[in-house]
Amino acid sequence: EIVLTQSPDFQSVTPKEKVTITCRASQSIGSNLHWYQQKPDQSPRLLIKYASQSFSGVPSRFSGSGSGTDFTLTINSLEAEDAATYYCHQVNTLPWTFGQGTKVEIK
Amino acid sequence: EVQLVESGGGLVQPGGSLRLSCAASGFTVSSNHMNWVRQAPGEGLEWVSVIYSGGSTYYSDSVKGRFTISRDNSENTFFLQMHSLRAEDTATYYCVRMPAASHGWYFDLWGRGTLVTVSS
Repeated sequence: EIVLTQSPDFQSVTPKEKVTITCRASQSIGSNLHWYQQKPDQSPRLLIKYASQSFSGVPSRFSGSGSGTDFTLTINSLEAEDAATYYCHQVNTLPWTFGQGTKVEIK
Repeated sequence: EVQLVESGGGLVQPGGSLRLSCAASGFTVSSNHMNWVRQAPGEGLEWVSVIYSGGSTYYSDSVKGRFTISRDNSENTFFLQMHSLRAEDTATYYCVRMPAASHGWYFDLWGRGTLVTVSS
């Protein structure tokens, strides 16, 4: 099973600040890595597919990069509505797995 | 409207069984890869099972042999039959689409979830 490790687990950020979340895979997964956002009491929502491709309707302040084992989700100019938990997800190999999540709080 | 709606959750005793349903609208279940993903209270996401458009099925090790995924093409619905339930199966269960028609191996559509509680 491929293990995804996110860092940090928690981040408290001021509006308009830049947020960077990393996801490291236990083995190479190419670009088969996606990012989701989950707000409290809501279902997850796809943000970035295949490491760097923005999903339809996602604000341009969200971007992704990386390949192989190291990936990054960046939120430029954080807004209050971005308070959520963010998960990475690999689909390179079954069983598909998720990172443990990174909770972003607005100061 | 394109959506997924889960039903069938509830309280069940350890060792019991439950069948979850996921009704799709606005698209065809059998043309996509349909999944179940669960989330224990206060915890992260865990993939549970998939039924591919071609009919093949796969499970996480934690549910293999106890859960069965299936679909009813005429009802445009898919299911998760759960047996031998344990306390650690307590979670919100989401049904999720992978858009096989566009070769998308990502979760682009999620239901709102149904809560399963395993407790005596």
